[in-house]
Amino acid sequence: AQSVAQPEDQVNVAEGNPLTVKCTYSVSGNPYLFWYVQYPNRGLQFLLKYITGDNLVKGSYGFEAEFNKSQTSFHLKKPSALVSDSALYFCAVNTGFQKLVFGTGTRLLVSP
Amino acid sequence: EAQVTQNPRYLITVTGKKLTVTCSQNMNHEYMSWYRQDPGLGLRQIYYSMNVEVTDKGDVPEGYKVSRKEKRNFPLILESPSPNQTSLYFCASSEGGVVSATPLHFGNGTRLTVT
Repeated sequence: AQSVAQPEDQVNVAEGNPLTVKCTYSVSGNPYLFWYVQYPNRGLQFLLKYITGDNLVKGSYGFEAEFNKSQTSFHLKKPSALVSDSALYFCAVNTGFQKLVFGTGTRLLVSP
Repeated sequence: EAQVTQNPRYLITVTGKKLTVTCSQNMNHEYMSWYRQDPGLGLRQIYYSMNVEVTDKGDVPEGYKVSRKEKRNFPLILESPSPNQTSLYFCASSEGGVVSATPLHFGNGTRLTVT
């Protein structure tokens, strides 16, 4: 069965420092991978996706993610964190069915 | 403005009292889906719909019903709510469905409490 793991419940980073939010997946076949962000009292918003091609994917708000097939990972990164990046981040995976499987979420806290 | 609208935002009800959470999208999307979000469990899919009159179960469909009589609307029905259905619910839509990898657009959520 396809699954997604986000090993960290929370990531703390100081403003201006680089951030990484980790995601690993377990699927058969070639995965479609996504990152979504959830701000307080709001629905999820799409950040970026990987389908095929270049392993480094760029998305909204300066975020990027690196697909690593050998490590089955899709970590979210940003070179310089902002306080406004503080939110709940979800990784998700799909492998050809009409279901998107989400991870449990990682809370990112960026301190001033 | 392109959006997915859910109502109500907050709902407190008692066990067994039927309720409906409405969802409407104005983007002419084919695909719509319902999720519930619970702490430590992430989002889990309840039902989805590829088009009018076409619906299918997600991972946690027990205790829920849906209908898709019009393209824009996809209500979630709890015929006899129970306390274990206390959760945060999200409706989402996309142009081509999950298989096409088009992004999901989410509503702002409905926080349901069943006592």
